[in-house]
Amino acid sequence: AQSVTQPDIHITVSEGASLELRCNYSYGATPYLFWYVQSPGQGLQLLLKYFSGDTLVQGIKGFEAEFKRSQSSFNLRKPSVHWSDAAEYFCAVVPTSGTYKYIFGTGTRLKVLA
Amino acid sequence: DSGVTQTPKHLITATGQRVTLRCSPRSGDLSVYWYQQSLDQGLQFLIQYYNGEERAKGNILERFSAQQFPDLHSELNLSSLELGDSALYFCASSSSGGGIETQYFGPGTRLLVL
Repeated sequence: AQSVTQPDIHITVSEGASLELRCNYSYGATPYLFWYVQSPGQGLQLLLKYFSGDTLVQGIKGFEAEFKRSQSSFNLRKPSVHWSDAAEYFCAVVPTSGTYKYIFGTGTRLKVLA
Repeated sequence: DSGVTQTPKHLITATGQRVTLRCSPRSGDLSVYWYQQSLDQGLQFLIQYYNGEERAKGNILERFSAQQFPDLHSELNLSSLELGDSALYFCASSSSGGGIETQYFGPGTRLLVL
């Protein structure tokens, strides 16, 4: 069965530091890949997505993610974190056949130190 | 603001009761998705409707049902509520749902079953 793993439940970084959030998936082919962010009390907002093509994807708020087929990974990065980035981040995969159901990871909660 | 609205924002009820959660999709979107987010299960896909018809089913309990109306708003009905049904329920919408698309999430309804 398809699955998504976000191995880090919590991450704490200092403001201005770089950030990398990990996401690994299990699927026979290359799925569609997404990163969403959930601020406290808010719904999920799409940061970026990968369907095909260039494996380095740029998103909103200065985020980027790199798809690595050999590692079945789609890690999210930001070169310099801002205090407003404190939130929970979800990686999601969608199989490329069938009913296109989203499968979400368990999320990584990011804390930013001033 | 994603353009997806959900009411009510908060709901407190007792075990055994029935509640209805409402979702209005973004203007022009034909697909509506329902998700449950709980601490122990994470974000789980429940069900998708497309233009009034059920399109895909996820981990939805038999006590739960949904429908999409001609004006495209959707309702999620939860009956015989149990303590474990306490969760955040999200609605998302997309333009068609016939293929892979970005889903836009509402702010959620927080349900507390006492």
